[in-house]
Amino acid sequence: QSALTQPASVSGSPGQSITISCTGTSNDVGGYKYVSWYQQHPGKAPKLMIYDVSNRPSGVSNRFSGSKSGNTASLTISGLQAEDEADYYCTSYTTSTTLLFGGGTKLTVL
Amino acid sequence: HVQLQESGPGLVNPSQTLSLTCAVSGGSISSGGYYWSWIRQHPGTGLEWIGYISYSGSTYYNPSLKSRVTISLDTSKNQFSLKLSSVTAADTAVYYCAKSQGGYYFDYWGQGTLVTVSS
Repeated sequence: QSALTQPASVSGSPGQSITISCTGTSNDVGGYKYVSWYQQHPGKAPKLMIYDVSNRPSGVSNRFSGSKSGNTASLTISGLQAEDEADYYCTSYTTSTTLLFGGGTKLTVL
Repeated sequence: HVQLQESGPGLVNPSQTLSLTCAVSGGSISSGGYYWSWIRQHPGTGLEWIGYISYSGSTYYNPSLKSRVTISLDTSKNQFSLKLSSVTAADTAVYYCAKSQGGYYFDYWGQGTLVTVSS
């Protein structure tokens, strides 16, 4: 199974909004509501930011939001802050009862 | 608040078996709805799901690793384990254990442990 497709990098200035896409197939992203997003700072474990496409865990800023259309899911970060600079990964449940990660996106806050 | 902590050798010889344990505190691994997972990250690259085991002992593995992976539960110690056989340098990575809610997403992670495969 191939990794979900994410852009290698995105960037934005403080206060701006950015969107990271995560493209799969009808066997994963398009077939289920089970897309999640993770933030990973260097040397740290990933942190859950969004689950079930658009739900935020307790404690995660409402500047983070998720959505899905067809086989592509998206993570939007509004009001960019310096602390948002990190790697972001999407994950989807699949028809093979497995989980599949995206390749990761490096977010740079200019 | 669940906490997870990986432990095991940081260096494994090629062709041997990599063995890691994840100790869970703040919750029972027998609790319904939870899946106990292993994920790895090769140096400088992305995350790779290895597999998970359900609270009832059912296992699910990444097809690319399935022939070499075993994940098991030890309810008496509230921990779960990973065994990866016939390792090569390509298995050098940071290994994370994580709790999965329903098998759909990972809500709690261990800090990760680096395992190097080298003679």
